[in-house]
Amino acid sequence: EIVMTQSPVTLSVSPGERATLSCRASQSVDSNLAWYQQKPGQAPRLLIYGASTRATDIPARFSGSGSGTEFTLTISSLQSEDFAVYYCQQHSQWPRTFGQGTKLDIK
Amino acid sequence: EVQLLESGGGLVQPGGSLRLSCAASGFTFRIHAMSWVRQAPGKGLEWVSAIGGIDNGTWYADSVKGRFTISRDNSKNTLFLQMNSLRVDDTAVYYCARGSGSPHWFDPWGQGTLVTVSS
Repeated sequence: EIVMTQSPVTLSVSPGERATLSCRASQSVDSNLAWYQQKPGQAPRLLIYGASTRATDIPARFSGSGSGTEFTLTISSLQSEDFAVYYCQQHSQWPRTFGQGTKLDIK
Repeated sequence: EVQLLESGGGLVQPGGSLRLSCAASGFTFRIHAMSWVRQAPGKGLEWVSAIGGIDNGTWYADSVKGRFTISRDNSKNTLFLQMNSLRVDDTAVYYCARGSGSPHWFDPWGQGTLVTVSS
């Protein structure tokens, strides 16, 4: 099983600033990495797949990068609606596994 | 519009059984793999099980193997999860999610149904 590790656990950022979230896989997943956003009481929403491709209707301020075992989600200029929990997930092999999440909150 | 609507959650005693359903609409259900993903209260996401689209292959997390069974009825555009021998640590919101792309990620997700296992 591939173990996904996210850092930091909590990230405090001011609106308008840049946020950088990290995700590491215990073995290579090539570019098979997805990012999801989850707000309280809501289902997760796909942001990025294939490490760097934005999903439909996802704003351009969200970008993903990386391959192999190291990945990054960058939010270029935080809006109020971006404060949420973010999960990475490898979609390379079974079982699909998620990171433990990074909570992005307002500084 | 793609929609996934889960149902069947509720309160069940340890050792009991429950069957979840996920009604799909807005896409060609039979060609898509589908998954169940759960989230215990205040915790992260855990993939539970998946079923293939065309081939109907099935996959399970070790934590539910031998207790849960995933299935689908393509004539009714519905996904199921039969959960037997339920344990307290199965308590979670259960989401169904469509497999998209290859190798597939999850998009979209349903709104979830809460399963509580307690005496």
